[in-house]
Amino acid sequence: QVQLVQSGAEVKKPGASVKVSCKASGYTFSTYDINWVRQATGQGLEWMGWMNPLSGSTGYAQKFQGRVTMTRSTSINTAYMEVSRLTSEDTAVYYCARVSSGYHPNYYYYMDVWGKGTTVIVSS
Amino acid sequence: SYELTQPPSVSVSPGQTASITCSGDKLGDKYSYWYQHKPGQSPVLVIYQDVKRPSGIPERFSGSNSGNTATLTISGTQAMDEADYYCQAWDSSLVVFGGGTKLTVL
Repeated sequence: QVQLVQSGAEVKKPGASVKVSCKASGYTFSTYDINWVRQATGQGLEWMGWMNPLSGSTGYAQKFQGRVTMTRSTSINTAYMEVSRLTSEDTAVYYCARVSSGYHPNYYYYMDVWGKGTTVIVSS
Repeated sequence: SYELTQPPSVSVSPGQTASITCSGDKLGDKYSYWYQHKPGQSPVLVIYQDVKRPSGIPERFSGSNSGNTATLTISGTQAMDEADYYCQAWDSSLVVFGGGTKLTVL
């Protein structure tokens, strides 16, 4: 079955970086975008950006530009999301999600499969 | 930047119909999507392309989108439907989420 398996919880100090992985299985990894979404405690879903595994091209929410990097390794069907210069406000659960997209007839773009989430705690 | 607005909370009695709205400029010209998110779980897609239900989503979930407003309707609401619901759209190569609506079934 289609699934996304994320890496385990992380505890980081302010100013450090964290890299979360998302391993895909059950489908052709290169044919679906991967998006990253986070949720801080008591807050709503916050979209961070997208990555096309085939080309490696990316797009980031303005808030995260310059501080978030999304990459992939097609040989092991894994997407990565790295956040640098962490602060306590980055404490959240981070989700990766597979995207279905295309034209029918208008352009559609939505997340149909989600990982279970990775908790990142930033604390001194 | 594009924004989607949802009511923070909606309450419904079991067996009744719940409606959750999502407003955005000319939202009806785009596709809308809805996700259900329960505590400790991953979000689940419940409506895509305005009106379609993914496999496994009960028929009591339906959607519509016209003008500036998309609506998620849950008919015969059950206790298990209590969750946060988020609308989503795609605009200028970016994903936009609404702020979320907490659905309480009481």
